[in-house]
Amino acid sequence: DTVMTQSPDSLAVSLGERATINCKSSQNLLHSSNNKNYFAWYQQKPGQPPSLLLYWASTRESGVPDRFSGSGSGTDFTLTINAVQAEDVAIYYCQQYHTTPPTFGQGTKLEI
Amino acid sequence: EVQVLESGGDLVQPGGSLRLSCEVSGFTFRSYAMSWVRQAPGKGLEWISAISSSGNTTFYADSVKGRFTISRDNSKNMVFLQMNSLRAGDTAMYYCAKDAREVGLFDYWGQGTLVTVSS
Repeated sequence: DTVMTQSPDSLAVSLGERATINCKSSQNLLHSSNNKNYFAWYQQKPGQPPSLLLYWASTRESGVPDRFSGSGSGTDFTLTINAVQAEDVAIYYCQQYHTTPPTFGQGTKLEI
Repeated sequence: EVQVLESGGDLVQPGGSLRLSCEVSGFTFRSYAMSWVRQAPGKGLEWISAISSSGNTTFYADSVKGRFTISRDNSKNMVFLQMNSLRAGDTAMYYCAKDAREVGLFDYWGQGTLVTVSS
């Protein structure tokens, strides 16, 4: 199975600052046939189910604020949250959907 | 508006069985694969099973293979997860999730249903 490893495990930032979360995959997630990275980020707020933030490594899901951005390719990916707001307190998970089983990182807890 | 609603979670003894249901609305159900993802208390996310749009193909995580069975009824917009030989390690919130056009990418999630395996 593809192992997804996030860093850090937790992150504390001040309101308005930038937060950066990294994710490393044990396998290349770039599909040669379409040049797309089969990689996503999810946000899980306290007491809620996860929600999709970004897919194809950098495409924002409908309704996601543009302060959330994704970058990276192959095995190394980054989620950046610019100007963090109080509502961004959550656990963030990376995930690969390149191969079955789809696998998630262990999560990164963002605190203010 | 897409809605995903799980039900069937309960307290069950080790070795027991449980059937989870997931009712969906707001999209053409028969056109999309569906998955179950679980989350043990205080832990991360674990994909456990998926079913193709037609129901002809199913996938399972090694942790549940041979014990869990996923199925769907496209006439009723429902997905099911039959769980047998339950263990304490199966204790978790079970989420039903809609796969996007790319199987394995989950664009809508239910609120979850809690399964507790304990004597």
